[in-house]
Amino acid sequence: AQSVSQHNHHVILSEAASLELGCNYSYGGTVNLFWYVQYPGQHLQLLLKYFSGDPLVKGIKGFEAEFIKSKFSFNLRKPSVQWSDTAEYFCAVTTSGTYKYIFGTGTRLKVLA
Amino acid sequence: SQTIHQWPATLVQPVGSPLSLECTVEGTSNPNLYWYRQAAGRGLQLLFYSVGIGQISSEVPQNLSASRPQDRQFILSSKKLLLSDSGFYLCAWVSRGRTDTQYFGPGTRLTVL
Repeated sequence: AQSVSQHNHHVILSEAASLELGCNYSYGGTVNLFWYVQYPGQHLQLLLKYFSGDPLVKGIKGFEAEFIKSKFSFNLRKPSVQWSDTAEYFCAVTTSGTYKYIFGTGTRLKVLA
Repeated sequence: SQTIHQWPATLVQPVGSPLSLECTVEGTSNPNLYWYRQAAGRGLQLLFYSVGIGQISSEVPQNLSASRPQDRQFILSSKKLLLSDSGFYLCAWVSRGRTDTQYFGPGTRLTVL
């Protein structure tokens, strides 16, 4: 069965520190990859997505992610975090030919001012 | 623009009571619809999805059921709630026939006592 692993469950950083959140998936075929973010008290919303093309994708608020097919990974990065990045981040994958989305367990990021 | 509504926002129910959560989407036609349960440390668990009226795919065997009586209405039900049904229930939609960005509703916080 398809699965998504997010190994960092809780991350605490100081402002201006760099961020990298890991995401690995288990599926050998064509995938579409997503990162969603849930700010405190807000709806889950899309941060960025990858379907094809350039494996380095840029999203909102300075976030980017790199798709490395050989490693089945789609790690999220930000060079300098802000206090407002405090949120829960979810990686998700879907595959061609299905309408199912598989989500990881999420990473809670706390940024200290 | 499209909006997605969920109600109620919060619900406290005794064990063994029935459940009905409603989700409606505005501003789009023929969406694919999804129900997820979000539990702390467990990410988003896909419960049901629907690609059309009366078409329901169940992902997790449990005492919950889903129905889609109208194109833009998705209902999550139970005849008898269990303590383990407590959680945060999210509805989401995607444009028909696509595996693209999901748009999430505000969620329903269900507490079973």
